[in-house]
Amino acid sequence: EIVLTQSPGTLSLSPGERATLSCRASQSVSSSYLAWYQQKPGQAPRLLIYGASSRATGIPDRFSGSGSGTDFTLTISRLEPEDFAVYYCQQYGSSPPGLTFGGGTKVEIK
Amino acid sequence: EVQLVESGGGLVQPGGSLRLSCAASGFTFSSYEMNWVRQAPGKGLEWVSYISSSGSTIYYADSVKGRFTISRDNAKNSLYLQMNSLRAEDTAVYYCARVVAAAGALDYWGQGTLVTVSS
Repeated sequence: EIVLTQSPGTLSLSPGERATLSCRASQSVSSSYLAWYQQKPGQAPRLLIYGASSRATGIPDRFSGSGSGTDFTLTISRLEPEDFAVYYCQQYGSSPPGLTFGGGTKVEIK
Repeated sequence: EVQLVESGGGLVQPGGSLRLSCAASGFTFSSYEMNWVRQAPGKGLEWVSYISSSGSTIYYADSVKGRFTISRDNAKNSLYLQMNSLRAEDTAVYYCARVVAAAGALDYWGQGTLVTVSS
């Protein structure tokens, strides 16, 4: 079973700064099946990135995803006030079949 | 507009049962794979179950295998989760979510329904 480890647990930054979030897998993950989500308090998660680097519909281009194998990164180029939230990575695997989520990274206002 | 609306949550005693429903609209429900994902209070996201578009392929997380049953009725545009032998650790907000074709990602989520297992 693949385990996804996100780091850091909390990222304290100011609006306008660059955010770099890491997602490390315990074994190689197909880039086609790596996604990132944003979740704000009291809301459902929102899909940001799928296929490791493809932005979902309506997602601003300040969000970008990269990586392959076991190391993946979500970058927010310039933080806007609405970007302060919790971010999760997720992979879909076939052995065993199913989805796995990382533990999340909270991006908070410094 | 794509909409997913969950219902059926509530307070149930340990060992009890509950059936969650997810009503889908705004897209061709029968063409999409679906999942249930849950989130315990103050915790992260946990995948619960997957069902293929036809309902012929189903997967469960180990934590719910043998106790939960996912199903769908494509004629009614509805997804279900039958939860039996509920435990305190099943307390969570349960979300239904649609799968992005060939990507294993979840592009639309419902607002969630809260299940509380407590005596």
